Amino acid sequence: SQQGEEDPQALSIQEGENATMNCSYKTSINNLQWYRQNSGRGLVHLILIRSNEREKHSGRLRVTLDTSKKSSSLLITASRAADTASYFCATDEGYSTLTFGKGTMLLVSP
Amino acid sequence: ETGVTQSPTHLIKTRGQQVTLRCSSQSGHNTVSWYQQALGQGPQFIFQYYREEENGRGNFPPRFSGLQFPNYSSELNVNALELDDSALYLCASSTRSGTANSYEQYFGPGTRLTVT
Repeated sequence: SQQGEEDPQALSIQEGENATMNCSYKTSINNLQWYRQNSGRGLVHLILIRSNEREKHSGRLRVTLDTSKKSSSLLITASRAADTASYFCATDEGYSTLTFGKGTMLLVSP
Repeated sequence: ETGVTQSPTHLIKTRGQQVTLRCSSQSGHNTVSWYQQALGQGPQFIFQYYREEENGRGNFPPRFSGLQFPNYSSELNVNALELDDSALYLCASSTRSGTANSYEQYFGPGTRLTVT
């Protein structure tokens, strides 16, 4: 079953713009992770935020976590065509098994 | 590149047949997890192996089984294939030491299975 649900399902922007994706989940978590997937291939780990953290940065990525609302957001600043991919949030309840959402498809046009 | 490899890359099987997929973990990782990703969906957890024993299982029937070997490589076996088993199968490796988990998982490129 899917726990995380990403919003929007698809997002189309121009290069240089910011992209924001949201994720909601249902149960208590140990951490939440964001992954990227290109063309239906393997997943690439982007960032992990623990349940006691509220915000985390990595390069052009900014992730926030609100455990009271059971939601997270991923912001990609100054997007590039190479950022075109599907983005998934995944929750870890503490057993190192991940529950993924259905993903957001991001298209960045030159 | 994560250092996790999977074979084969693509596979076409007939309904009712059996299939074995293989995964080689990243060096130093002792835990492997398998996920099934149907088209347009997020990956779904099948099971996890730690020190050659199953250590958690998702909502998949017993015809999905696995093995982990002493070198931490792993196999996923699916018996009596059904059309709905068509999907991308991903393995992911990570490290566990006692009760301390390294939560980041490193995914392989996947095996795309088509059942006709």
